[in-house]
Amino acid sequence: AQSVSQHNHHVILSEAASLELGCNYSYGGTVNLFWYVQYPGQHLQLLLKYFSGDPLVKGIKGFEAEFIKSKFSFNLRKPSVQWSDTAEYFCAVNVNYGGSQGNLIFGKGTKLSVKP
Amino acid sequence: NAGVTQTPKFQVLKTGQSMTLQCAQDMNHNSMYWYRQDPGMGLRLIYYSASEGTTDKGEVPNGYNVSRLNKREFSLRLESAAPSQTSVYFCASSPTGGWSRETQYFGPGTRLLVL
Repeated sequence: AQSVSQHNHHVILSEAASLELGCNYSYGGTVNLFWYVQYPGQHLQLLLKYFSGDPLVKGIKGFEAEFIKSKFSFNLRKPSVQWSDTAEYFCAVNVNYGGSQGNLIFGKGTKLSVKP
Repeated sequence: NAGVTQTPKFQVLKTGQSMTLQCAQDMNHNSMYWYRQDPGMGLRLIYYSASEGTTDKGEVPNGYNVSRLNKREFSLRLESAAPSQTSVYFCASSPTGGWSRETQYFGPGTRLLVL
């Protein structure tokens, strides 16, 4: 079965520290890649997505992610985190099985706590 | 636009009771989804509806049924609730679904506790 792995369950950083959250997927074919964020008490919303072109994708709130096909990775980065970035981050992959329906497969999530 | 709305926000059930979670979207999306979110498990797809009139099983469909009432509404029913179904349930929608580059839009969630 296809899977998405997020290596860090909980990351704790101080404000202004740099962030990198890992995401690896297990499918070797064509994929679309997403990062969603869930702020405390809120529903999931899209941070950024990649499907083709420049492997470095920029999203909202200063986040970016790099797709490295050879490593099956799509890591999320931010140069300087803020307290307001405290949230849970989910990597998700949409896989093309050659049919019409390819559902999103989510990782287990990484909780980010930013200390003021 | 309200986006994706869900009712109720919170529910407590006793084992064996039944209930229906309601979801509606006002974005004219074709595809709708039900996920459950458990600590340390991320989101898992329960059922989806690629278009009005169709529904299909996702990763964890056992114990659930769904109805795509019309293009706007997609309900999730627990016929006989079990403690293992204690979770947060999210409804989502997307314009056309399928293998795509589309963003899914999520509702605020329903927190369900089964005693």
